[in-house]
Amino acid sequence: GENVEQHPSTLSVQEGDSAVIKCTYSDSASNYFPWYKQELGKGPQLIIDIRSNVGEKKDQRIAVTLNKTAKHFSLHITETQPEDSAVYFCAASRPDKLIFGTGTRLQVFP
Amino acid sequence: ETGVTQTPRHLVMGMTNKKSLKCEQHLGHNAMYWYKQSAKKPLELMFVYSLEERVENNSVPSRFSPECPNSSHLFLHLHTLQPEDSALYLCASSQDQASGLYEQYFGPGTRLTVT
Repeated sequence: GENVEQHPSTLSVQEGDSAVIKCTYSDSASNYFPWYKQELGKGPQLIIDIRSNVGEKKDQRIAVTLNKTAKHFSLHITETQPEDSAVYFCAASRPDKLIFGTGTRLQVFP
Repeated sequence: ETGVTQTPRHLVMGMTNKKSLKCEQHLGHNAMYWYKQSAKKPLELMFVYSLEERVENNSVPSRFSPECPNSSHLFLHLHTLQPEDSALYLCASSQDQASGLYEQYFGPGTRLTVT
């Protein structure tokens, strides 16, 4: 069936360290992979996305990598700050909808 | 500010009540979505509307009834809910219904508690 696996479910890092969240998808036809950040009491916010025609995309401290052969993609956050603490969701596209991972709770300790 | 607003932000209702959730998007998008977010589960897509026509209904119980009077507004009518329906209900919009190509923007959600 269609699913997206996301690991780890929780991640704790010291401020300034890097954080990596990994996702694996099952549908080889997926071609769009967004990442969302959800802070407490708010809806998910799109922070970065990647399409299947590229292998890596960066936006300041955030980067996403995609390995289409292995069907996995990852979110990398460098120089983490306390305000990066939130739940992060990955998703993979199907022709008519997005399939979401179960989320990673990231805690950044000062 | 995501451009998608939802009201109310919190709702407590009994199992015999009837209530409605409202969503409004100010982004000029053509597609709108209802999702259910429960603890430790992936986001569950409930309904999709494209240009005010329902295009997807993911086997959602009939006690949830969506309405899309125009491309900017989306409602979710609730009646005779069960305690397991307690969750965060999220509305989203995208430029087009083909969400594989267009980004989805979420509202802040309505935290629903069914007693």
